Amino acid sequence: KNQVEQSPQSLIILEGKNCTLQCNYTVSPFSNLRWYKQDTGRGPVSLTIMTFSENTKSNGRYTATLDADTKQSSLHITASQLSDSASYICVVSPGGGSQGNLIFGKGTKLSVKP
Amino acid sequence: GAGVSQSPRYKVAKRGQDVALRCDPISGHVSLFWYQQALGQGPEFLTYFQNEAQLDKSGLPSDRFFAERPEGSVSTLKIQRTQKEDSAVYLCASSSPWGTDTQYFGPGTRLTVL
Repeated sequence: KNQVEQSPQSLIILEGKNCTLQCNYTVSPFSNLRWYKQDTGRGPVSLTIMTFSENTKSNGRYTATLDADTKQSSLHITASQLSDSASYICVVSPGGGSQGNLIFGKGTKLSVKP
Repeated sequence: GAGVSQSPRYKVAKRGQDVALRCDPISGHVSLFWYQQALGQGPEFLTYFQNEAQLDKSGLPSDRFFAERPEGSVSTLKIQRTQKEDSAVYLCASSSPWGTDTQYFGPGTRLTVL
């Protein structure tokens, strides 16, 4: 069964610290992997998207990595800010079929404290 | 408009009532998606349109759920005879039709069935 597992489920860090969120997937075939940020009461917003051949991609203080062999991805947040408090969702596209049938993880809820 | 908009933002329905949720995608985006997000969970795919054609409705949980996009722009998700388990946030997203283009999400409609 196609699944996306994220860890930790929740995380509390102090402002200015770094953190890394993990995503493991069993989706096959694989087309691409995306990280979204979802603020409370808002829709998800894309941070990064990576295809099979990409190992790392950065977007400001966010850096995503992808190991397609081990089917693992991580999202590293550098010098966290209070506005980073949100849920971070890993999304995998199985490809080969409906473009809409993305597989979403349950998200990691990040709280950045002053 | 500049982004995906959804209305209403909040909807309270009594069990058994019918509801209609509206999505206005980004102008020019031919692909439109509906997702259901339960509290504390990631979004789950419901259905996908390309222009007015509903290409995938495999995620609709029952025949009480119906979606349409008659002119290839605005879409409506209708839920008939609502049940308590239908309570969730319903997210709409739009994107360009091909490849790895990012889905842009609306703010969602929070449906509460009493």
